Amino acid sequence: GDSVTQMEGPVTLSEEAFLTINCTYTATGYPSLFWYVQYPGEGLQLLLKATKADDKGSNKGFEATYRKETTSFHLEKGSVQVSDSAVYFCALTRGGATNKLIFGTGTLLAVQP
Amino acid sequence: EAQVTQNPRYLITVTGKKLTVTCSQNMNHEYMSWYRQDPGLGLRQIYYSMNVEVTDKGDVPEGYKVSRKEKRNFPLILESPSPNQTSLYFCASSPNFSGNEQFFGPGTRLTVL
Repeated sequence: GDSVTQMEGPVTLSEEAFLTINCTYTATGYPSLFWYVQYPGEGLQLLLKATKADDKGSNKGFEATYRKETTSFHLEKGSVQVSDSAVYFCALTRGGATNKLIFGTGTLLAVQP
Repeated sequence: EAQVTQNPRYLITVTGKKLTVTCSQNMNHEYMSWYRQDPGLGLRQIYYSMNVEVTDKGDVPEGYKVSRKEKRNFPLILESPSPNQTSLYFCASSPNFSGNEQFFGPGTRLTVL
């Protein structure tokens, strides 16, 4: 079945460091790919998305490119801030009858001043 | 403001005492879904609804019921809660089921003693 694998956390960085959180997926066809962010005590918010191969999603300085050949959707940011500290979830959906989002296990990012 | 609301946000209950977690969206979305979030497992789909009076099981439906009598509301019912249903629950909605992003509520933290 479909699945998402993302790097284990926690990831601890200093402010202004470069961030990469790896995400790979297994799915038939061409799923839509997402990164959601969960700030402490809050629900999930969509960070960015990509719906077809080679699409680049971007938002708030974060970027991720849909790589069909490597089945990956890695999240990057050039300079993290303390306010980026959160749990990041990679997810996919193939839409259809269930429209189910399949999530990775989440990666905790802690940014220190 | 477009949003998904859930109530209650926090609930502590005892084994076997029936409870309902409400979910409401004000975006006229057709699709709604419930997920549970557990450490190390990410989010897993419990039930979903494609429209009024149309519901179906997700990946982990045991011990839960849902109903969709109105488009905006999608309550989650636990007829006889057990400790293994202690979890963080999220309601989500989407305009349709074609792989678009889903909008999440703030979450309900349930503890069953």
